[in-house]
Parts: sequence; C-alpha cells; structure tokens
Amino acid sequence: AQTIHQWPVAEIKAVGSPLSLGCTIKGKSSPNLYWYWQATGGTLQQLFYSITVGQVESVVQLNLSASRPKDDQFILSTEKLLLSHSGFYLCAWSPSRGRGTEVFFGKGTRLTVV
Amino acid sequence: AQKVTQTQTSISVMEKTTVTMDCVYETQDSSYFLFWYKQTASGEIVFLIRQDSYKKENATVGHYSLNFQKPKSSIGLIITATQIEDSAVYFCAMRDGTSSGQKLVFGQGTILKVYL
Repeated sequence: AQTIHQWPVAEIKAVGSPLSLGCTIKGKSSPNLYWYWQATGGTLQQLFYSITVGQVESVVQLNLSASRPKDDQFILSTEKLLLSHSGFYLCAWSPSRGRGTEVFFGKGTRLTVV
Repeated sequence: AQKVTQTQTSISVMEKTTVTMDCVYETQDSSYFLFWYKQTASGEIVFLIRQDSYKKENATVGHYSLNFQKPKSSIGLIITATQIEDSAVYFCAMRDGTSSGQKLVFGQGTILKVYL
C-alpha cells in the first residue's frame, strides 16, 4: 500500500525566515506529485506539480519554489517568508497513468508566520 | 479555464437522513473527470468518489452517490443515511485537461453538520 508522509506537522516561523517542507511517497514508483495550499476556511489551491525527478511546473506564483530531488520526494521552500504564506500545505500524489486518476493527499503541514 | 463552484456554504441535517450537496463546473474539454473529497476536522483530505464525463451511469460508493447532469454541468453529491462522523467540509473538484491533466481545480467547499 502507498503511504505519504509529510514533515513537519506544524511550524511557527518569523517573517523573513526561510522555510522547507517535505513529503515522501512510499510504495509507488514514479508518481505524479503536487503541492497545495489552503488558507484558513478556504479552498485548496494547487501550487506545483511534478511528473518526473528534477522537473517541476509552477501553477501559482506565491514566492515559493519546489523541487523533486528523488522519485519519491517533493520539497517546498522559500528563502523569505511572508505573512501571507500562513496556511495549510498539503502534498499529494497520483498514479502516473493519466488524468482520470484520483489524487491522494498527505496529512498536511500547518504553517503560521508571525 | 476550468472553474468549479459550490454555492452552499453550510448545510445542517439530522442524523440518518439524506443530504445533497451541489456543484457546477465549467470546462472546454470534451472529456473530463470530477471528484468529491472530504476534509475532516483534523484537516485530512479524503477521496470519496469520482465521475468520468463519458460515463452515463452515476457513480456510487458505499453511502455516497453522484447525480451527474452533464447538460447542466452539474455533479451533486448525495449522502444517504448520514452519520455524525459525516460532519466535515466537502469539496468538489475537476481534473484540468489543459495542463496535461495535472491540475486539479477545487470548489469553495460545503460545510456539512450532522446532528442527533
């Protein structure tokens, strides 16, 4: 069975500080990977997706970047946090076979920027 | 661009009754995929059910079923015999075809409260 692990579970960071969030997917080779962001009480907004190692596509510009250093790992980062970065970050995956497949989510990281 | 709209902000129902949540979508694609997800109080996002646009039959999984009305671009979620644990936020989503199918667009969500 596939498992998706996100870290950390929660973070409190200062404005202007760097950030690195990560997720690992086990039990599935070459998955499509995604990062989503959710403001409190809001909907899910896709930030990035990756269909292969080393290749990441940006969907929304939020002064964030993403990388896929390994087949099973996806990293979200920024060098300088803004207050507007606060929210809930979700990593997700789907099988690589097509767009009709479901997307499955990790448990998320709650980020508070102060 | 694809768009998904859920106009019901919040619904309250008595336990063991049936509830329907509405969702309408916009797309230029001739083939597309629609999904419903549930977000629990802990924030966990759980996949519930899916409808392929080329299928005429409404999808059913457990006590979840869909009311797919393609001419109206509508995909309602029906939950029968609701339980307290069905209380959550429900999101409708559509898989976007313009970016190699890698964009999943979500609606605003509907809060469901089930009471005794």
